[in-house]
Amino acid sequence: GQNIDQPTEMTATEGAIVQINCTYQTSGFNGLFWYQQHAGEAPTFLSYNVLDGLEEKGRFSSFLSRSKGYSYLLLKELQMKDSASYLCAVDSNYQLIWGAGTKLIIKP
Amino acid sequence: ETGVTQTPRHLVMGMTNKKSLKCEQHLGHNAMYWYKQSAKKPLELMFVYNFKEQTENNSVPSRFSPECPNSSHLFLHLHTLQPEDSALYLCASSQDVGNTGYTFGSGTRLTVV
Repeated sequence: GQNIDQPTEMTATEGAIVQINCTYQTSGFNGLFWYQQHAGEAPTFLSYNVLDGLEEKGRFSSFLSRSKGYSYLLLKELQMKDSASYLCAVDSNYQLIWGAGTKLIIKP
Repeated sequence: ETGVTQTPRHLVMGMTNKKSLKCEQHLGHNAMYWYKQSAKKPLELMFVYNFKEQTENNSVPSRFSPECPNSSHLFLHLHTLQPEDSALYLCASSQDVGNTGYTFGSGTRLTVV
């Protein structure tokens, strides 16, 4: 079967750094997405990785290791507005397989 | 404004009611999707439409009935739902099926009583 695992919930402090991990087992791989979803709002695109390595975009970075079936989203200089759920999804044969999301709680 | 608009934002309905959810996009996308999002579960793909034609139905119960009159509009007709159908229903669109760069709507929070 196809499976994506990510932690259910994480807590971090404002100004700190947090890493949200995602491991996957899928029949195909055409890339991995990270989405951010604030409560009651639409999931919004954060990043897309298809090659191994780190992609940096401002305070957010995403890493991929295809051989390990592993990705992480790194959030730096955390702000209260970063409190949200973070969804990991893999494009497997042009269909998205979703993780259950990680709820990130930021404390002052 | 995400480019994909869903109405209503919230809906409470009884098990014998009939209601419809609406999704609209003006991004020029050809593919539209309905997803169900339940707490602490992965997004569940329900239906896929490409150029108004249904290309996927993921074994969704017949009490959910999709309609796609054109590439910009998508409906989900609901009737005789069960309490376990309470969830956030998300609509998404992409350039076409196979292009997984989705734009999501804000969803309809459905509560079945």
